[in-house]
Amino acid sequence: QQQVKQSPQSLIVQKGGISIINCAYENTAFDYFPWYQQFPGKGPALLIAIRPDVSEKKEGRFTISFNKSAKQFSLHIMDSQPGDSATYFCAASISGANSKLTFGKGITLSVRP
Amino acid sequence: ETGVTQSPTHLIKTRGQQVTLRCSSQSGHNTVSWYQQALGQGPQFIFQYYREEENGRGNFPPRFSGLQFPNYSSELNVNALELDDSALYLCASSLGGQGGTGELFFGEGSRLTVL
Repeated sequence: QQQVKQSPQSLIVQKGGISIINCAYENTAFDYFPWYQQFPGKGPALLIAIRPDVSEKKEGRFTISFNKSAKQFSLHIMDSQPGDSATYFCAASISGANSKLTFGKGITLSVRP
Repeated sequence: ETGVTQSPTHLIKTRGQQVTLRCSSQSGHNTVSWYQQALGQGPQFIFQYYREEENGRGNFPPRFSGLQFPNYSSELNVNALELDDSALYLCASSLGGQGGTGELFFGEGSRLTVL
């Protein structure tokens, strides 16, 4: 049973465009939702995270939108750059066990020059 | 501030062998979590150690075991290796307990190949 599902599986965006990656979860006990970025040969790095008491969080070019009733959240990357080309994972965890993350399968983003 | 370091970076074993992977946590962190990342998949939680005690375990058999030392570094041991154990093993450290954010900082991983 996959508790966290990402879509699309891969994404190609032109430089300067907006990249949108979606994530759906099943467990309503989840209350911490991070996005991780992973480059080849590297470990995942935290990009941005949100808790369900807010519907949107923005950090620089990265924005998380959260829809609690739909059990969905998404990552928007504005003004996408070739350096953003990486694999992106959404994840979720339950408060008190916030190191035990349930990850999605990941989505490969390619930003073309 | 030093980051999370893992060793070895790559290793090859044969079925039935045993392996030990090592992790040094980020300075100031008291919690270490281990994840298995199969090719093309997201990381899967193996277990977590907080102040030298196991503090949660994922759906992995007992042949996956671990330790955390007083300096908060950690080891992952896998016995009786199987072909499906081939994966990238990621260590992540965090500051747990009261006041801890729980934010995970990952190392670059140990790539295990089982032949």
